[in-house]
Parts: sequence; structure tokens; C-alpha cells
Amino acid sequence: DVKVTQSSRYLVKRTGEKVFLECVQDMDHENMFWYRQDPGLGLRLIYFSYDVKMKEKGDIPEGYSVSREKKERFSLILESASTNQTSMYLCASSSMEFDSGRYEQYFGPGTRLTVT
Amino acid sequence: AQSVTQPDIHITVSEGASLELRCNYSYGATPYLFWYVQSPGQGLQLLLKYFSGDTLVQGIKGFEAEFKRSQSSFNLRKPSVHWSDAAEYFCAADDYKLSFGAGTTVTVRA
Repeated sequence: DVKVTQSSRYLVKRTGEKVFLECVQDMDHENMFWYRQDPGLGLRLIYFSYDVKMKEKGDIPEGYSVSREKKERFSLILESASTNQTSMYLCASSSMEFDSGRYEQYFGPGTRLTVT
Repeated sequence: AQSVTQPDIHITVSEGASLELRCNYSYGATPYLFWYVQSPGQGLQLLLKYFSGDTLVQGIKGFEAEFKRSQSSFNLRKPSVHWSDAAEYFCAADDYKLSFGAGTTVTVRA
């Protein structure tokens, strides 16, 4: 089974702190994604990566950065956490086989981040 | 702009009754379509997906969805709901970027 793990289920940080959210996948997937989930808004894409050291902005990248030094690991960084970044953060991975019919994104359990 | 719309924020259904969740998409060409479920405190689980071919798609947990190109819809159905189906359901569309609807919360009453 595909496994996507996230380093923490719950995290509480203070305003202004630098926050790292880690995601690891074990299926040798090329693509990795970070989303945030807020009530009434569904999931919104923050950043994604199609390869090591490669990153692309999603729909809401402001206030975030990412790092992908190894294929299996994709980190989301909040350079200076703010209260409006309190949210559920979900990581996902997928293969490059977009046209194969087998394509899907596999999600981690999520990290609920509270910034006080 | 490309978008996915789930018109119903919250649905309450009796156990054993049928369930239908609506999803509409707005894309230039038909994207890949997905339904995910998220139980309380859990991550997202894929229920089913549509890429092409037969417009009635069978998924896990007894769910099915019907793709209707003319209506730009991909509605999810289940003939008989169980209490364990209480969850939040997300419709999503992917044309090299996955976009989600806002979600529908399903409450099941005994």
C-alpha cells in the first residue's frame, strides 16, 4: 500500500516562529503536493513538485515555501507563522502516469497547525 | 476560471435511505474526476474516479457516480446509507492540477 506520512498530527506554534512540516512517501512517486484545508473552502493547493529540487506555486503560495532535496521527502515551510495560517495541512503524492487510468493522488493523515 | 462546485454544504439522511451528492465542474475539456471521503480525524480516501469510458463508475464502500457531460456533473450515489458513511465528501477535478469542491458534510440519523 502507498503510504504518505506527515511528521506531526498536531502542532502548536507562536506567531513569528519558523515552522517546518515534513512529508514522506514510500512509493517512489515523482509528484508531491501540499494543500491546506479550511471549513467551507475545501482543499487549496499551496505548492507542488514534479521532481527533486523542483517546485511550482499553487493557488495560495503566499507566506509559504517548500523544499524537496530527496525524492521521497517534501517539506512545507512557514517562514514567519501567522494566526491566519492556522489550518489543516495535507500532503499528497502521485506518479507521473497521468494518462494511464491508474493516476490518483494519495494523501497523508494531515497536520493540524494552530498558530497562537 | 476552472472550478468544482458542490452545491450542498450539509445533507442529513436516515440510515438505510439513499444518498446523492452533487458535483458540477467548469472546465474547457473534461478533466479527470474524483470523489474523496474524509471521516472525522482521518485523511482523504479515494472513493472512485472517472477518466473515460463507461459513465457509471463503481467505487468502494458501495458508492457509485455518474458522469454526465451535457450537465458537466459527476454526482455520487449510494442506495442505502450506513451510519459509518457520516463524513465529509469532496469532489475533485484534475487536468494536471487537482482542484477540490468545498465539500459536503453528510450526517446520518438513526
